Amino acid sequence: EVQLVESGGGLVQPGGSLRLSCTASGFSYITFSMNWVRQVPGKGLEWVSYISSSSNTIYYADSVKGRFTISRDNAKNSLYLQMNSLRDEDTAVYYCAREKITGSRTFFDYWGQGALVTVSS
Amino acid sequence: DIQMTQSPSSLSASVGDRVTITCRASQTINTFLNWYQQKPGKAPKLLIYAASSLQSGVPSRFSGSGSGTDFTLTISSLQAEDFATYYCQQSFSTPRTFGQGTKLEIK
Repeated sequence: EVQLVESGGGLVQPGGSLRLSCTASGFSYITFSMNWVRQVPGKGLEWVSYISSSSNTIYYADSVKGRFTISRDNAKNSLYLQMNSLRDEDTAVYYCAREKITGSRTFFDYWGQGALVTVSS
Repeated sequence: DIQMTQSPSSLSASVGDRVTITCRASQTINTFLNWYQQKPGKAPKLLIYAASSLQSGVPSRFSGSGSGTDFTLTISSLQAEDFATYYCQQSFSTPRTFGQGTKLEIK
């Protein structure tokens, strides 16, 4: 069974840092690209970042570029999001999501349960 | 960035109804379009990928269509468990933008 489990969420002051982790199981993690998607409570979904299976390709949303860093450790089946210089508007539930490719089409076929990050003084 | 616009933003319907949700892209995206369902407090769930391909395990009452800029998600006969929020997402380019969501409520 495919499972993605996020951890590391919590309360942090504006300007602070936090590191989210996502631990994968039930599939060959090394062969899949991964993403972070966030959702402000009560609002819609916002894609945050992408990392390819070998970490060779990384993308960020403009809203987090220069502040957030995505990384992965394939030996530990883990995905990370280092969040620095946090702002009130970064408050959200953060999901990790597996990206599957079929033909040339990509989609997020498995999601974690989410980790709540609250930025507040 | 490609903007995704869903309509309606909310919809009231009854069990057994046929429901259609539309999604429009700000530029052509071929069939690089996915649909997700999200229930309160839960992670999104993939329903449809590549505009019309049904994800494994998803009931056949869900279907998707469209190409280019205009897409639809149809639920042929609403069941109680279908009341949720639905999001479209384009995978044509980065950033992978989502629509704002359509909340499907019980009438």
